[in-house]
Amino acid sequence: QSVLTQPPSASETPGQRVTISCSGSSSNIGSNTVNWYQQLPGTAPRLLIYSNNQRPSGVPDRFSGSKSGTSASLAISGLQSEDEADYYCAAWDDNLNGRVFGGGTKLTVL
Amino acid sequence: EVQLLESGGGLVQPGGSLRLSCAASGFTFSSYAMSWVRQAPGKGLEWVSNLSGSGDHTRYADSVKGRFTISRDNSKNTLYLQMNSLRGEDTAVYYCAKDLPVAGSPPLEDWGQGTLVTVSS
Repeated sequence: QSVLTQPPSASETPGQRVTISCSGSSSNIGSNTVNWYQQLPGTAPRLLIYSNNQRPSGVPDRFSGSKSGTSASLAISGLQSEDEADYYCAAWDDNLNGRVFGGGTKLTVL
Repeated sequence: EVQLLESGGGLVQPGGSLRLSCAASGFTFSSYAMSWVRQAPGKGLEWVSNLSGSGDHTRYADSVKGRFTISRDNSKNTLYLQMNSLRGEDTAVYYCAKDLPVAGSPPLEDWGQGTLVTVSS
């Protein structure tokens, strides 16, 4: 069971907007920033969002992140078929003194 | 261009040992903390360990503490993970990753392609 809680799946049609939630606690999301990773089928993860809402160079602005209290969200607008992937949230946990990941959300573009 | 190339994975019996390597290029290796993350077949990501750029500070997940040792050779631009007393639940693809030095939760900016470790008799 993961320290951070994500819905196991999400789906939406092309062109629409989808949000993926990530719930934690005061020792992780509540006191540290949140990062998001995208893992396309059969590939290594890729950093998508860091420091709650920052995009690395090369990540389209269709991807955005936010954080409030002990929860965070990833939003993807203008969905495309190539966005079909697994998405993971992550944060540092002060109690565990280590990184924690969410269980991942499998996004299906219908 | 940052490149991270893992090697050393394979089949090992329960109780056995294995050493993974991660050859880094395209950046000043000694300036960056590095991490290992694993992914069991069909499962999610699990952070394993990280190591500061100087090699002075290490952290481990509770699941591997006392069995795994992370280290680096900055003269060879290489990160290592020595894995001892291996168990079936250690079966996974092991990724090395470069930390982005930002405050809060340092993100994993670049990832290798991974190396598969299978623990089975």
